[in-house]
Parts: sequence; C-alpha cells; structure tokens
Amino acid sequence: NAGVTQTPKFRVLKTGQSMTLLCAQDMNHEYMYWYRQDPGMGLRLIHYSVGEGTTAKGEVPDGYNVSRLKKQNFLLGLESAAPSQTSVYFCASRYTKLAESTDTQYFGPGTRLTVL
Amino acid sequence: SQQGEEDPQALSIQEGENATMNCSYKTSINNLQWYRQNSGRGLVHLILIRSNEREKHSGRLRVTLDTSKKSSSLLITASRAADTASYFCATDARGGSNYKLTFGKGTLLTVNP
Repeated sequence: NAGVTQTPKFRVLKTGQSMTLLCAQDMNHEYMYWYRQDPGMGLRLIHYSVGEGTTAKGEVPDGYNVSRLKKQNFLLGLESAAPSQTSVYFCASRYTKLAESTDTQYFGPGTRLTVL
Repeated sequence: SQQGEEDPQALSIQEGENATMNCSYKTSINNLQWYRQNSGRGLVHLILIRSNEREKHSGRLRVTLDTSKKSSSLLITASRAADTASYFCATDARGGSNYKLTFGKGTLLTVNP
C-alpha cells in the first residue's frame, strides 16, 4: 500500500497562475481532506469530501476549488494564485469506526507551494 | 478558529526524561486525538481517547482527558532523540458535522541526546 500520495512535492508559481494539486489514496477511505499549514497557525482545513462526488468547505476555502470525481482521488485547484497561498499543503484520508474506537487520518507527505 | 491549543509551544528535554504536553479545547467533544509530525513530513496518528475515557496508554504514551476542564495531556515516558517532533491535538466536536477534526497549533518537542 502506498497510503496517501501527493503530487507535486514542490512548486513555484507566479501570482495569477493556476495549478492543481493531486491527492491519491489506495485505502478505499470515504473521507478525504485538504489542509494548509503555515508557521504558527497549525493545520487549517480548506475543503473536504465525505465520498465520491461530494465536497464541502472547510475553515479557509476562499481561493481554492476541489473535485472528487473518483473515490481514490481528491484534487485541489488554485485558479489564480496569490502570495497569501504560499504554504505547505497536506492531503489526508480518514478511516473511522467508532465502535472500535478507531478514527485515524492518514496524511500525505505534503506539497510545498511558493507563490511569487 | 482553533479548537485545540497546545501548551507549551516548545519543549526541550534530555534523552530519558519524560515529556508532558497539554491541550485545551473550547467546546464539547466526541473524541480527542494526538498526532506527531516530524520535520518536513506529514502528520502521523498516535492515539485517540473518547470523551467517556479518562486515561489511555499506548507503549510509552499516556494520554489523559478531563472533560470538565476541557483539557488533555500527552505524556511521553523515557524520551528518545527520535521523539523529536511537533505534537498536535485534534478534536472532533460534539454536535458538529463529525466529519472534521480541528487541529491545534502544536508543541515542538526537542529531545537532546
């Protein structure tokens, strides 16, 4: 199992450019998440999905769009990048079965994005 | 807004000592989790404690939960240099969507050899 993978690992954009970050998981999890991590801010939820074809806004959704066309993939798009979107982006998938006291998010290795 | 807040922000100890990190949160929860993040890597799940539990152990980890004070602590016993990492608490708010976890800002633990 590869777990959760993210591509690319690094990217530098100019202001106004667009890009898509890809997250893939091979654990057949229903829930997937996109977070951003900034110094001193911890992790903040951008968007999430509770199943194929569904998406929902998190804490900081402005400037981002997402799609979950296939269960294993969750895409994060930046239509017009801004310097404020310079951050490290993490994708996660979640397995939960509370009857077993199991609720675990599995994180990818992150994408370091710089917007100039 | 952040649900969980870890304390201290940074902690430096010697190998073999115990490390204690605290987490405070604002609203009632279903469960609280702790994650570890090594520098430049993704977060890794450590342990979950449910709201009706007061203490839980996993190897060298001991987690306590006091719902009356809305706080939790993570104790790492006999620390090792490999325990150097950031530690985050995450809460699953009761009455919320229960699809989301809210993470704190983390405690940076440095274990000196």
